[in-house]
Amino acid sequence: GEDVEQSLFLSVREGDSSVINCTYTDSSSTYLYWYKQEPGAGLQLLTYIFSNMDMKQDQRLTVLLNKKDKHLSLRIADTQTGDSAIYFCAETSPSGGSQGNLIFGKGTKLSVKP
Amino acid sequence: DTEVTQTPKHLVMGMTNKKSLKCEQHMGHRAMYWYKQKAKKPPELMFVYSYEKLSINESVPSRFSPECPNSSLLNLHLHALQPEDSALYLCASSFSKGSEQYFGPGTRLTVT
Repeated sequence: GEDVEQSLFLSVREGDSSVINCTYTDSSSTYLYWYKQEPGAGLQLLTYIFSNMDMKQDQRLTVLLNKKDKHLSLRIADTQTGDSAIYFCAETSPSGGSQGNLIFGKGTKLSVKP
Repeated sequence: DTEVTQTPKHLVMGMTNKKSLKCEQHMGHRAMYWYKQKAKKPPELMFVYSYEKLSINESVPSRFSPECPNSSLLNLHLHALQPEDSALYLCASSFSKGSEQYFGPGTRLTVT
């Protein structure tokens, strides 16, 4: 079945870069997503990448996809205290077992120290 | 505008109560979703509506009853809940089933 794995915690200093990693198992994954969740809030769609791309950049965010290794990463440049949150990696595959539904990782808690 | 709204923000209910959660979007999305999220866990899919028809019911107990009155609205009717149903209930919508989903802020439900 489909599985998405993430490390559970990451701690960085303000101003440094953060890199959050994710691996997935479904080779038919079509889209891969990064969501941010602040305490008590809903999920905010940060960015997503189509499986035929290997990189996407959006302001401070850079997504890298290694399809061969089924590895996705999210780099946050110049990390700020407001970036402290849980980051969920998710994948979807309309033709795969997930039937187009999101398969989430367990989430990575990013802590940013001043 | 990528806003999904949910009401109420918080809800406390007893095990014999009947209540409803509401979700609304005006993005013209034709797929809408209910998720349940427990603390420190990812969201778990409950129901999917596609073009106002129930597409997926992920083996959710019958004490949760979804309703999609029109393409902009999604309700979740609650009856005879258990304390273990206490969670954050998230609504999401997408242009079509399988495209990127936008989430609402959630309803924090406590069952006493």
